[in-house]
Amino acid sequence: TQLLEQSPQFLSIQEGENLTVYCNSSSVFSSLQWYRQEPGEGPVLLVTVVTGGEVKKLKRLTFQFGDARKDSSLHITAAQPGDTGLYLCAGTGGSYIPTFGRGTSLIVHP
Amino acid sequence: DAGVIQSPRHEVTEMGQEVTLRCKPISGHNSLFWYRQTMMRGLELLIYFNNNVPIDDSGMPEDRFSAKMPNASFSTLKIQPSEPRDSAVYFCASSTTGYNEQFFGPGTRLTVL
Repeated sequence: TQLLEQSPQFLSIQEGENLTVYCNSSSVFSSLQWYRQEPGEGPVLLVTVVTGGEVKKLKRLTFQFGDARKDSSLHITAAQPGDTGLYLCAGTGGSYIPTFGRGTSLIVHP
Repeated sequence: DAGVIQSPRHEVTEMGQEVTLRCKPISGHNSLFWYRQTMMRGLELLIYFNNNVPIDDSGMPEDRFSAKMPNASFSTLKIQPSEPRDSAVYFCASSTTGYNEQFFGPGTRLTVL
């Protein structure tokens, strides 16, 4: 069974601060997705990374896939209250059935 | 474009009652997933359909849970009889085989008293 560990579990910061959340596994994934979930809604895809060492940027969000394709990180620059939510990573191996991490709950205070 | 549609959005029932959750995937998507989300266990995969056929139901907790997909545009998840420990948010998601991105519905919040 492939497991994904996310850290930290909870994060509470002030507007304007930077933060990084991590997604780690002992398994190799063919691709990894990051989702954001807002209260009362379903997760929404932010990005997919597929190549070891790949870096993708989405405005103030920077996503990196580890060289060995076992881990990933999400860095947010100058966080805003609108970034508040649950950030989930999901890894996919040979099948198309993803494994989700438990998530990082982020609160950004104005 | 309509996304994944789930109904009802909220369901409150008493222990022992039958509960049926419904899902309409995005048109053209041939993979459908049912998930359960709780604070304690996070997002758990219950069952995965591909082209209307159940491929992996290893996440279905027990015989009280059953899921069907009679056609490409409709799926149900049934719990009979329901128990308080089934209280959770149930999500349906759809995707296209070969693409790992999933599109989630808004979820059904189930409360079993």
